[in-house]
Amino acid sequence: DTGVSQDPRHKITKRGQNVTFRCDPISEHNRLYWYRQTLGQGPEFLTYFQNEAQLEKSRLLSDRFSAERPKGSFSTLEIQRTEQGDSAMYLCASSSPDLIASEQYFGPGTRLTVT
Amino acid sequence: QQQVKQSPQSLIVQKGGISIINCAYENTAFDYFPWYQQFPGKGPALLIAIRPDVSEKKEGRFTISFNKSAKQFSLHIMDSQPGDSATYFCAAKYSGAGSYQLTFGKGTKLSVIP
Repeated sequence: DTGVSQDPRHKITKRGQNVTFRCDPISEHNRLYWYRQTLGQGPEFLTYFQNEAQLEKSRLLSDRFSAERPKGSFSTLEIQRTEQGDSAMYLCASSSPDLIASEQYFGPGTRLTVT
Repeated sequence: QQQVKQSPQSLIVQKGGISIINCAYENTAFDYFPWYQQFPGKGPALLIAIRPDVSEKKEGRFTISFNKSAKQFSLHIMDSQPGDSATYFCAAKYSGAGSYQLTFGKGTKLSVIP
């Protein structure tokens, strides 16, 4: 399967702990996005990478959140000192380098529960 | 500020009927409007998308209608099937330099009953 993959699919952590999620985009896609989705809401944009450069960040991305894409392939999203309000589905999406194409393809998500 | 407003929040349609979901946007710079389908526990899947240069786009049983002057667009699902039961999200995006994020509506939970 050549779709977007995310790991882990589920994560339960205690408040105050750090967590890290991984996203592997579709292989030929150089654009990668992170979104957060809470229950009953649409996904909300967090950050965007073009190759290894982080080009856009939402104000939702507090200083406890950091994202990297060191070699322009997979990406990681780390949340430090987790809070109960961080409980959500974290979604990764990717899109092709085509300047016109806008289609973003989402992975299955990582469901985070902070207890 | 909610830039994309979606209605209804939930929708029940009988098998074979037409499902209609509406969205309205505020930012006139938006120039790409996709619809996503999401099943429980899964990520959103791109269904169909439209740009403002056309008023309608059809793919199989799914049709997007777009009204640029009213800043509205809608998804029509013809001959709705129980397998279409899912949450549908409209979204919008500005393709200009420096902006790649999708702005989503809050979603419509569709239930198609046999």
